[in-house]
Amino acid sequence: QVQLVESGGGLVKPGGSLRLSCAASGFTFSDYSMSWIRQAPGKGLEWVSYISSSGSTIYYADSVKGRFTISRDNAKNSLYLQMDSLRAEDTAVYYCTRGRPFDYWGQGTLVTVSS
Amino acid sequence: EIVMTQSPATLSVSPGERATLSCRASQSVSSNLAWYQQKPGQAPRLLIYGASTRATGIPARFSGSGSGTEFTLTISSLQSEDFAVYYCQQYNNWPSLTFGGGTKVEIK
Repeated sequence: QVQLVESGGGLVKPGGSLRLSCAASGFTFSDYSMSWIRQAPGKGLEWVSYISSSGSTIYYADSVKGRFTISRDNAKNSLYLQMDSLRAEDTAVYYCTRGRPFDYWGQGTLVTVSS
Repeated sequence: EIVMTQSPATLSVSPGERATLSCRASQSVSSNLAWYQQKPGQAPRLLIYGASTRATGIPARFSGSGSGTEFTLTISSLQSEDFAVYYCQQYNNWPSLTFGGGTKVEIK
């Protein structure tokens, strides 16, 4: 069965960095585009970034452009999100999702940006 | 950026009743519209894609309709497990894949 397992969340100070990972299993990872979606506490869903199956096409939300970097390693069935220059407003649960639309979601990893 | 507007924000419904949720796009998204269900403490789950196609394993009481800018999610007879927050999302216009603000379906 399809599984997406995020890791790497935690507490970080404003201006700091964090790298999220998503381990995929149960499907041919290299066949699917992937995205990161986030949800601030008590708020709605916000798409963050997209990467095509080969990694050749990448998009970012304006709110994270220039600060976040999405990448993937198809040999390791893994998706990543490098988050730099973190701000308080980046505090959220970050979900790894498959495809477009997003047909499978991980359980999420909480990122808290606070001093 | 396409803005997705959902209404109402909260819908109070009795079990067994019909629920109708609306989603409006600020410009046409063709039929590239999905609906998701999210229960407290859980990740969202895909219900409908292509505006009207149920995702794998989704019960027939969930149906979607619409195209262009106006969309509807209908739950024909609400079960206890259907009380949740529902989000629409357009995936027609890149690069921003926008979500609506959500409709909370609560027990009346």
